[in-house]
Amino acid sequence: GQQVMQIPQYQHVQEGEDFTTYCNSSTTLSNIQWYKQRPGGHPVFLIQLVKSGEVKKQKRLTFQFGEAKKNSSLHITATQTTDVGTYFCAGGNNDMRFGAGTRLTVKP
Amino acid sequence: DTAVSQTPKYLVTQMGNDKSIKCEQNLGHDTMYWYKQDSKKFLKIMFSYNNKELIINETVPNRFSPKSPDKAHLNLHINSLELGDSAVYFCASSPDGYYGYTFGSGTRLTVV
Repeated sequence: GQQVMQIPQYQHVQEGEDFTTYCNSSTTLSNIQWYKQRPGGHPVFLIQLVKSGEVKKQKRLTFQFGEAKKNSSLHITATQTTDVGTYFCAGGNNDMRFGAGTRLTVKP
Repeated sequence: DTAVSQTPKYLVTQMGNDKSIKCEQNLGHDTMYWYKQDSKKFLKIMFSYNNKELIINETVPNRFSPKSPDKAHLNLHINSLELGDSAVYFCASSPDGYYGYTFGSGTRLTVV
């Protein structure tokens, strides 16, 4: 099945620093979704990107979908301790395949 | 009023036992899923159902059998449990298999 690769696996930042996680697919994606999972919690849907080159923002979070619809990124500006968790990208049609996730820790 | 509810939340059982996990969604979604999350946090799709019909059956041992009595319910039965089945199992639903998934809170299965 379709594979979605995500890097980095871990990211440790000082509060106030920026954070970016990247997602890549070998095939064109019809859409890409981003999820956040807090420690001990379940994945929570953040956003869906559908169009080539699409950029969406949610407060300090910026999501991008590549022109070729094969890659995506999530950028967090000025991280806060509440941003701690694992961020997953997922791509597919009616069977979203999840990347391995990027575990973000934030030092106060 | 929980959108996707799973029971039980925790399940500790011995090797060789048979167990079931139940999932119900009250969102009116057509598509439901089972995902397995291992200790490294990797989320792997197991099954996908659309309006009670099996759509996806990944390479999961046939000891795992999903059942969907109606489109609001998707249960997972596991026979002859093995140590390697220990994981968190998440149920999820989507309006059409395309838009964002709503996950349940998970069932942490520990096989001893």
